[in-house]
Amino acid sequence: SQKIEQNSEALNIQEGKTATLTCNYTNYSPAYLQWYRQDPGRGPVFLLLIRENEKEKRKERLKVTFDTTLKQSLFHITASQPADSATYLCALAPDSGYSTLTFGKGTMLLVSP
Amino acid sequence: DAGITQSPRHKVTETGTPVTLRCHQTENHRYMYWYRQDPGHGLRLIHYSYGVKDTDKGEVSDGYSVSRSKTEDFLLTLESATSSQTSVYFCAISGGSQGADGYTFGSGTRLTVV
Repeated sequence: SQKIEQNSEALNIQEGKTATLTCNYTNYSPAYLQWYRQDPGRGPVFLLLIRENEKEKRKERLKVTFDTTLKQSLFHITASQPADSATYLCALAPDSGYSTLTFGKGTMLLVSP
Repeated sequence: DAGITQSPRHKVTETGTPVTLRCHQTENHRYMYWYRQDPGHGLRLIHYSYGVKDTDKGEVSDGYSVSRSKTEDFLLTLESATSSQTSVYFCAISGGSQGADGYTFGSGTRLTVV
């Protein structure tokens, strides 16, 4: 069956360190993968998209990698700040045709001062 | 959230009653989606629309219906609410196919069925 897996345990790090979150998938051949941020009581907010033919994408302090061989995406936040504390969701479109997004369950990131 | 509003924000309803949630967008986007979010399940797609009067089922569509008579409005109806439909409901929009430009989500509707 198709699965998207994100670490269900919260990631606790200290301010200034790099946070790395993982998204693994099985039985998908996604055309692209997206990352979202969700704060409590709010809807998810789109952060980054990476396509299957891209290895890495950067936006300010964010970096995403996409390894279609390992079926894995890594999401990095460098120089993390307490304001980065949130739940981060990965999402993918199952194939290259028109399709909707399927979301992982998310990983909570807690950045302590 | 800019360009997309959901109403109501909170609702408590009784088992067996019909309930309609509304999603309104001002972005003129073609694609609209309804998701529900539950602890342990994450976001799951209920229904989506790819144009006026064009809708399709998602992963968890049983007990739900949708309508889209105008580009800007996408309605989700629980035909006869059950306790298992207690959830947070999110509407989302996207301009391109496949959501390649990312989805924009509304602030959600917290629905409690008692």
